[in-house]
Amino acid sequence: GENVEQHPSTLSVQEGDSAVIKCTYSDSASNYFPWYKQELGKGPQLIIDIRSNVGEKKDQRIAVTLNKTAKHFSLHITETQPEDSAVYFCAASIGTMDSSYKLIFGSGTRLLVRP
Amino acid sequence: DGGITQSPKYLFRKEGQNVTLSCEQNLNHDAMYWYRQDPGQGLRLIYYSQIVNDFQKGDIAEGYSVSREKKESFPLTVTSAQKNPTAFYLCASMPNRQGDTDTQYFGPGTRLTVL
Repeated sequence: GENVEQHPSTLSVQEGDSAVIKCTYSDSASNYFPWYKQELGKGPQLIIDIRSNVGEKKDQRIAVTLNKTAKHFSLHITETQPEDSAVYFCAASIGTMDSSYKLIFGSGTRLLVRP
Repeated sequence: DGGITQSPKYLFRKEGQNVTLSCEQNLNHDAMYWYRQDPGQGLRLIYYSQIVNDFQKGDIAEGYSVSREKKESFPLTVTSAQKNPTAFYLCASMPNRQGDTDTQYFGPGTRLTVL
């Protein structure tokens, strides 16, 4: 079935360094790719998303790149800060039998930014 | 968390009991979703509803039931048939029921523990 693979499962970086999280999806029809940040005990918060008609999108220290041919997309966080420490999830949209759509989530990356 | 509320935040249940988790949104969104999150794993879809009085099974619907009598409400019942109900439950909503490029917004979650 459809799936999204996310790597690495844990990532530890020094404050100020960059962090990169990578995802691979299986459904070639997927055309929407959001990234969520989840802090402990809270619901996921959307931090950035990208649609299939663009290859890259940036919002301050956060950027996402998409390679539709390879079915890869990545999250890049520059100048990391301790408050960036959280679990990050990627997701990809897939169509359903009733003409709606749903998101398939990766398994998450726990990012730790060391002061 | 926006305009999505989930209650209660923590819930304890004895084995063999049914329990209902509340999800309410004041965003006028058409679609609503229920996910289950287990430690170290991504979000798995339980049920979703694109419109009032209609809902569809997700990937792990066994042992769960839902209703959608009002646009703003999508309660989830965890029945005694669910073999391993202890988990973090997340509700989400999306504005456009047939849009495949719209974002899902999450509530704060309910942590269910079976004693």
